[in-house]
Amino acid sequence: TQLLEQSPQFLSIQEGENLTVYCNSSSVFSSLQWYRQEPGEGPVLLVTVVTGGEVKKLKRLTFQFGDARKDSSLHITAAQPGDTGLYLCAGVIGSSNTGKLIFGQGTTLQVKP
Amino acid sequence: KAGVTQTPRYLIKTRGQQVTLSCSPISGHRSVSWYQQTPGQGLQFLFEYFSETQRNKGNFPGRFSGRQFSNSRSEMNVSTLELGDSALYLCASSSQGLQTEAFFGQGTRLTVV
Repeated sequence: TQLLEQSPQFLSIQEGENLTVYCNSSSVFSSLQWYRQEPGEGPVLLVTVVTGGEVKKLKRLTFQFGDARKDSSLHITAAQPGDTGLYLCAGVIGSSNTGKLIFGQGTTLQVKP
Repeated sequence: KAGVTQTPRYLIKTRGQQVTLSCSPISGHRSVSWYQQTPGQGLQFLFEYFSETQRNKGNFPGRFSGRQFSNSRSEMNVSTLELGDSALYLCASSSQGLQTEAFFGQGTRLTVV
């Protein structure tokens, strides 16, 4: 059972366009993390959101955690070819001592120059 | 400081064999988590070890096992390999657990033939 639904699965856009990736679940998460993975590498953490309604910005990337802590979004403004990669959301269910990390299926982003 | 090191990077095994993968976490990190990544299922949580104890476990059969040593290095073992076990196996280390930042290794690409 996939607890975290990530959409879209694939996205191909032109440089300069904006995009939003969504991560939805029926489960409540104690925190949610966003990662970016490049071919041949492991995922690299971009941000962790903890509080419902929280918004975090990382340069052109804006991350939002839903008020009920069941969903999250990643918005990229003016995408660049260097943003190309696999974006993964991951939710922590439970506490850090007894919880599990659940990943979404990922969104493969291609930004064309 | 050195990152997470996984060995070997690539491995080819025959059905029915067993395999052991190794993960050396970042110095000082006590938590090591293991994940299986496949195109169809995405990233799935296998288990987490903290101070030599398995603290969390995903929904994988008993053929998948692991352990952690006193120096925090971890090994993952898969017995009676099946074709479906072909995947990228990633480990991640963190200082305290799932809610703290996780640093991933480059993974071990296992191919079962």
